[in-house]
Order: sequence, then structure tokens, then C-alpha cells
Amino acid sequence: AQKITQTQPGMFVQEKEAVTLDCTYDTSDPSYGLFWYKQPSSGEMIFLIYQGSYDQQNATEGRYSLNFQKARKSANLVISASQLGDSAMYFCAMRDYGTSYGKLTFGQGTILTVHP
Amino acid sequence: DGGITQSPKYLFRKEGQNVTLSCEQNLNHDAMYWYRQDPGQGLRLIYYSQIVNDFQKGDIAEGYSVSREKKESFPLTVTSAQKNPTAFYLCASRSSRVNYGYTFGSGTRLTVV
Repeated sequence: AQKITQTQPGMFVQEKEAVTLDCTYDTSDPSYGLFWYKQPSSGEMIFLIYQGSYDQQNATEGRYSLNFQKARKSANLVISASQLGDSAMYFCAMRDYGTSYGKLTFGQGTILTVHP
Repeated sequence: DGGITQSPKYLFRKEGQNVTLSCEQNLNHDAMYWYRQDPGQGLRLIYYSQIVNDFQKGDIAEGYSVSREKKESFPLTVTSAQKNPTAFYLCASRSSRVNYGYTFGSGTRLTVV
């Protein structure tokens, strides 16, 4: 069964500093995708970054990068130069491509607070 | 602009009542999903539909029902059999063209009063 674990219920970071949010996953499917979403207090899910299991390079999107360590089954999100607007809940999620219906399995989330 | 519209944003239900949450998309996506989010937890899959007139149970389908009569619409009914319906409900759709092509609605917050 697929499982996503986020062990940090809450994280604090100073504005302009970098922060790493941890995510480990478990799956028996060799083909899968890993996602990070941001959920502000308004509730919508904002897609941040995606990494496929066969991608050779770590994904980057602006200030977001995904530190993908396949052997350790970890997919940590790195946010560089934190901004006050980064304060939100962050979810790691996974999709197994062996199942055809596209279910996303989510971790429990990490609340990030950026201090000025 | 294309997207997913969920309504209402807030919904109050009395004990023993059925309520229906609306989800409409104009993205031309075949696959649609309903997720439930409880405080301190991630999203859990309730139902999904890969095509019109077809839908399947997810991980926590008990007490819920859905229909998919049109490609654009995937309403969720929370029945009186759902013992703890107070939660935040998110609808999503998926593009078949890109691996990361999930779009989420803005959610409906359901409270039992």
C-alpha cells in the first residue's frame, strides 16, 4: 500500500532563510510521481512541484526544489529565501502509476510559519 | 479561465439530513475525485470517477454517494449514514495529458449543527 509520512507537524523559519520540509514515502510500484502542494488558510490546494520516479534530475520551480533520494524513499521540499506569504500548510503526495485511476495519497502535512 | 467550482463554500447540516456538495469543472478532464480533509490530517479519497456514468469507491466511501451524469459535474451527497460528516471537502480533476495535471476546487466546509 502507498504511504506518505511527514514527520514535522510544524516548522518555523526566518524570512529570507531557506527551509526544508521532510517527506518519506513507501510504495511497491516502480513508477510513481511525487507532488508538493501548498494550502493557505483559505483552503485551496496550490500545486508547487512534481518529481517522477524515473526523472534523473531533481525538480526545481523557482524558489522550490525537491530533494529526491530514491534509495532512501525521501522527497523533501526545499524553499529558498522564505517569504511571509509562504506561511501555510504544505502537503506531500504520491501517485502510483501502476493503478490507473490516478489516486493521490497525501501525508498529514506540515504547517510552516515564516517570521519577519 | 478554466477551473473547478465548488459550492457552497460553507454548508450547515442538521443531524439526519442529506446534503449535496456541488463540483463543476470546465477543463474537459475525464477523471474527477472527492477528498475529505480533517484537522491535522491529510486528504483522504472518498470517491472517484474516470469517465461519465462510471464511479468507484475510494478509501472512505461509507456514508457518501456520488453521480457522474455529465463530464463537467461530479456532485457528492453526504448522507445521514455518515456519522461524522463535519470536515473540509475538496473536489479535484485530472488531466490525462500531464502527470502532474491535477486541479483542485476551493473546497466546501461542512458543519453538522
